[in-house]
Amino acid sequence: LAKTTQPISMDSYEGQEVNITCSHNNIATNDYITWYQQFPSQGPRFIIQGYKTKVTNEVASLFIPADRKSSTLSLPRVSLSDTAVYYCLVGEAAGNKLTFGGGTRVLVKP
Amino acid sequence: AAGVIQSPRHLIKEKRETATLKCYPIPRHDTVYWYQQGPGQDPQFLISFYEKMQSDKGSIPDRFSAQQFSDYHSELNMSSLELGDSALYFCASSLGAGDPEAFFGQGTRLTVV
Repeated sequence: LAKTTQPISMDSYEGQEVNITCSHNNIATNDYITWYQQFPSQGPRFIIQGYKTKVTNEVASLFIPADRKSSTLSLPRVSLSDTAVYYCLVGEAAGNKLTFGGGTRVLVKP
Repeated sequence: AAGVIQSPRHLIKEKRETATLKCYPIPRHDTVYWYQQGPGQDPQFLISFYEKMQSDKGSIPDRFSAQQFSDYHSELNMSSLELGDSALYFCASSLGAGDPEAFFGQGTRLTVV
């Protein structure tokens, strides 16, 4: 299972763009990269998933370079409600095990 | 839209007692995951089921067992409870094996006293 490394915490201000980079040097060919958001005492919530290049949805963008050894979650124009822990997961195409490593605690300030 | 339902939301048990947590996945989802999250910790994968069969196992203690029933709901049975079992227990469901988009329930907060 590919191990992920993310910053422990990041601070930002309302209206700014937040970019969180996740390292996954030993990602396997069949692995997808998935990001989850978690608020205190709530279950994690799926944000975005990608395999390579760029993926964008209504919430975020995910940038994955050609070597796929890292990925960057981009949150545009954050608000106070985006304060949460963000987890990067690298998952095998087969199997049923979503492994949460150390996430990034994002604090959005007014 | 229907979400993952967990019951009970809160549970208080004494040491050495038994607890049963229930999870009702989103309709048509065939995969269920169980996670344990202690205070200030990351969610720890316990066990998962696909089509009523155990599909993967994580750091689940031998005192715990789980199963998925014919209606796809799942139960996590915890025996000989210890103080360290106090945590939030999340259930998640997804559609299809290996689908990384899992939908989490609100969790059950278990307190062992």
